[in-house]
Amino acid sequence: KAGVTQTPRYLIKTRGQQVTLSCSPISGHRSVSWYQQTPGQGLQFLFEYFSETQRNKGNFPGRFSGRQFSNSRSEMNVSTLELGDSALYLCASSPDSMADTQYFGPGTRLTVL
Amino acid sequence: GESVGLHLPTLSVQEGDNSIINCAYSNSASDYFIWYKQESGKGPQFIIDIRSNMDKRQGQRVTVLLNKTVKHLSLQIAATQPGDSAVYFCAENINQAGTALIFGKGTTLSVSS
Repeated sequence: KAGVTQTPRYLIKTRGQQVTLSCSPISGHRSVSWYQQTPGQGLQFLFEYFSETQRNKGNFPGRFSGRQFSNSRSEMNVSTLELGDSALYLCASSPDSMADTQYFGPGTRLTVL
Repeated sequence: GESVGLHLPTLSVQEGDNSIINCAYSNSASDYFIWYKQESGKGPQFIIDIRSNMDKRQGQRVTVLLNKTVKHLSLQIAATQPGDSAVYFCAENINQAGTALIFGKGTTLSVSS
C-alpha cells in the first residue's frame, strides 16, 4: 500500500496570506489527523477528521481549519499567516477514529516570511 | 516520588550497545502509548505501541516497558545500529473517542560505529 502523501512538500508564504495543505491517507484509512511540529513546541495536535466530520480539535486559533472529503483526503487551511506559523505540518492516517496506530506522511514545510 | 528515569534530550551510544530511551507521560487516564522514530526530513515512523493493560511488549530488536505507577515509558533498542540514529518520540492517547496524540519532547539518539 502507498503511504500517506502530502502536498506540497515545501511552501513559502508571506505574512497575511493564506495557505492550503493537502493530505491523502493510506488507502482504506478513514481518520486523518493533523499536527504542527516546531523546534520550540514540538509536535502538537491540530485536529482530526473522520468520515468528513471534525472529531477532535487541539488548542489552536480559528485561523487553522480543515476539511475532509468523501474519499478521506483532507486539507488544512491557515488564514492570515503569522511568522510563528512557520513549521512542519504533518498529516497522519489511521483506520478509524479510535485509539489506533497512526501513520505519518513526510510533512509540508511551511515558511512564513 | 522516585524518579524512575529521566528524559534526556540526547543519547550517544556505540554500535552494538543496547539503548534505553525514557519518557514520562502526563495523564494517568492515557491508555495507549506509541514510540515513533523521526529521521531528518521525514515524518515520524511507527516503531512499537503498547496498551495500558500490558507492562511490556517486544518487537524486532525493540522492547517497550510501561510503568503506570510512576507514569513512565521506556524504549529499549538491542544491538543499536547506525541506522537507528534519529529522534525518538513517545506519544500517549488521552482521548478514547479520537486519535489526538500527545507527544513527548523527543530524544536524539546518535550511534557511532
